[in-house]
Amino acid sequence: GESVGLHLPTLSVQEGDNSIINCAYSNSASDYFIWYKQESGKGPQFIIDIRSNMDKRQGQRVTVLLNKTVKHLSLQIAATQPGDSAVYFCAENTGNQFYFGTGTSLTVIP
Amino acid sequence: DVKVTQSSRYLVKRTGEKVFLECVQDMDHENMFWYRQDPGLGLRLIYFSYDVKMKEKGDIPEGYSVSREKKERFSLILESASTNQTSMYLCASSLGRSLYEQYFGPGTRLTVT
Repeated sequence: GESVGLHLPTLSVQEGDNSIINCAYSNSASDYFIWYKQESGKGPQFIIDIRSNMDKRQGQRVTVLLNKTVKHLSLQIAATQPGDSAVYFCAENTGNQFYFGTGTSLTVIP
Repeated sequence: DVKVTQSSRYLVKRTGEKVFLECVQDMDHENMFWYRQDPGLGLRLIYFSYDVKMKEKGDIPEGYSVSREKKERFSLILESASTNQTSMYLCASSLGRSLYEQYFGPGTRLTVT
């Protein structure tokens, strides 16, 4: 079956450092890859997406990298802040199909 | 800002009861989704709707049905609740052209006893 989002479950970083959160996927036919952030007690929040024909996309303090050769997706957060503490998970979209990973819990150490 | 609201944050129901979970969005989004979120598993899509009165099954539709009579409202129905439907239920919406840029509600934690 299809799988996505083989994450490391936890990540701790010092405030001000850069964070890199990784995700692996199995479906090479996916159209889009998406990163979501979920804070405790809240619903997921869309962060950034990348189309399958791209290898890099930048947002505000975030960069997503897509390596289709090894089916790997990463989210880089620059100058990590305490407010970045949350669970981050990737998702892939193919047509009307969505598959979400289980997520990485990011803890920012002041 | 997009606002997606869900009728309850916490709900406790008995096995066999009919359960209604309501979701309302205020941004005129065409697409609406229902997911469940369980520990150790990613979000799993139950149903989605891309227009009023339209619905599509997701990955795990068994035991659920949905209703979309108005554009802003999408209801999830558990016809006869079972203990394995104890979960966090999340509603989301998105613009028609952006299926994957979804805005989520805060979730309803349903416990079936």
